[in-house]
Amino acid sequence: DVKVTQSSRYLVKRTGEKVFLECVQDMDHENMFWYRQDPGLGLRLIYFSYDVKMKEKGDIPEGYSVSREKKERFSLILESTSTNQTSMYLCASRSRQRNQPQHFGDGTRLSIL
Amino acid sequence: GQNIDQPTEMTATEGAIVQINCTYQTSGFNGLFWYQQHAGEAPTFLSYNVLDGLEEKGRFSSFLSRSKGYSYLLLKELQMKDSASYLCAVIYSGAGSYQLTFGKGTKLSVIP
Repeated sequence: DVKVTQSSRYLVKRTGEKVFLECVQDMDHENMFWYRQDPGLGLRLIYFSYDVKMKEKGDIPEGYSVSREKKERFSLILESTSTNQTSMYLCASRSRQRNQPQHFGDGTRLSIL
Repeated sequence: GQNIDQPTEMTATEGAIVQINCTYQTSGFNGLFWYQQHAGEAPTFLSYNVLDGLEEKGRFSSFLSRSKGYSYLLLKELQMKDSASYLCAVIYSGAGSYQLTFGKGTKLSVIP
């Protein structure tokens, strides 16, 4: 079974803090993704990566950056948090084949006070 | 761009059958996924369709019509544990790889 592990399940931070959300997958997947999920808005793609050192902006990249230094690890960075970044953050990975689904981590519920 | 529409909410009775529809407009279509997501949990994979027709997996079936840009997920013999959000996602080719776009999900409530 594919395992996607996110570093924290719940996180509370104050506005202006720098936050790192870590994600590790154990299936040697090339593609990794960061989403946020908010009521009524569904899953929105923040950033994705096709391979090590590669990154692409998703639909809502503003206020976020990412790092993919190793194939198994994809980090989401919030440089200076704001209250509108309070959300559920989901990491996912998948192989390159078209018929392969994304596998999600358990999510990090981030609250910015 | 990619556009996916699903009903926001549905309610059905335990033991009944429910059909959750999904319509999409996309270029470079390469298949459609259905996911189940229980409240507070991550989405989990249910099915993948790339050819027209019905794919059956136990109590769950998924249908695709590429010419109509339409899919549905059929849940039979509903159980209370089927109360969840169901996400439709289209995979398409673009930017050098396959990408997924998710619908906003349909929240299904199963009542006794």
